[in-house]
Amino acid sequence: QVRLQESGPGLVKPSETLSLTCTVSGGSISTWYWSWIRQSPGKGLEWIGFIYSDGSTTYNPSLKSRVAMSVDTSRNQFSLNFYSVTPADTAVYYCARGSGWLALWGQGALVTVTS
Amino acid sequence: DIQMTQSPSTLSASVGDRVTITCRASQSVSRWLAWYQQKPGKAPKLLIYKASTLENGVPSRFSGSGSGTEFTLTISSLQPDDFATYYCQQYNTYRTFGQGTKVDFK
Repeated sequence: QVRLQESGPGLVKPSETLSLTCTVSGGSISTWYWSWIRQSPGKGLEWIGFIYSDGSTTYNPSLKSRVAMSVDTSRNQFSLNFYSVTPADTAVYYCARGSGWLALWGQGALVTVTS
Repeated sequence: DIQMTQSPSTLSASVGDRVTITCRASQSVSRWLAWYQQKPGKAPKLLIYKASTLENGVPSRFSGSGSGTEFTLTISSLQPDDFATYYCQQYNTYRTFGQGTKVDFK
């Protein structure tokens, strides 16, 4: 079955860029939308944005100035770059399939922003 | 921005109880609403989409209703596996999650 796996550094310094990749296995990344969501420790869920397999994107307006997503169909991966991070960006970052309801999620990757 | 407000924030219940969680949107989202269940350390699990459509494999004791700005998630008879946090999410305009409702043991 289709599985999603987030990968990337677990520690990022303030003002630097958080970069995460989601690898899709067991199915094709093509013709699907792919989302990123985050959850700060002990807090609720925050939608970051989504990307279609053709590279078109939609971002959360409150985060848009610091976010960029990309897709690599040859590797069956999509990625998140989050710029100029602060400790408030410490969270578990999830990738998921879909743009509306999200039926398939990765296990999540904890990213801590600390000097 | 569309704000999603869930009530209550915490709900204490017993096995066998009928449980209802409410989600209100700051403006109409039609029926573009989903419900998720999340357990500690795990990713959210989709329960319901389009306000009332049960995701494949989700037990029939879960049901959703509503449209516009007011929605409910009902668990007809709470089971031990259902103690978790529940989130609503609108996908009418951008996407927004509610703050969550924790269902714990009475």
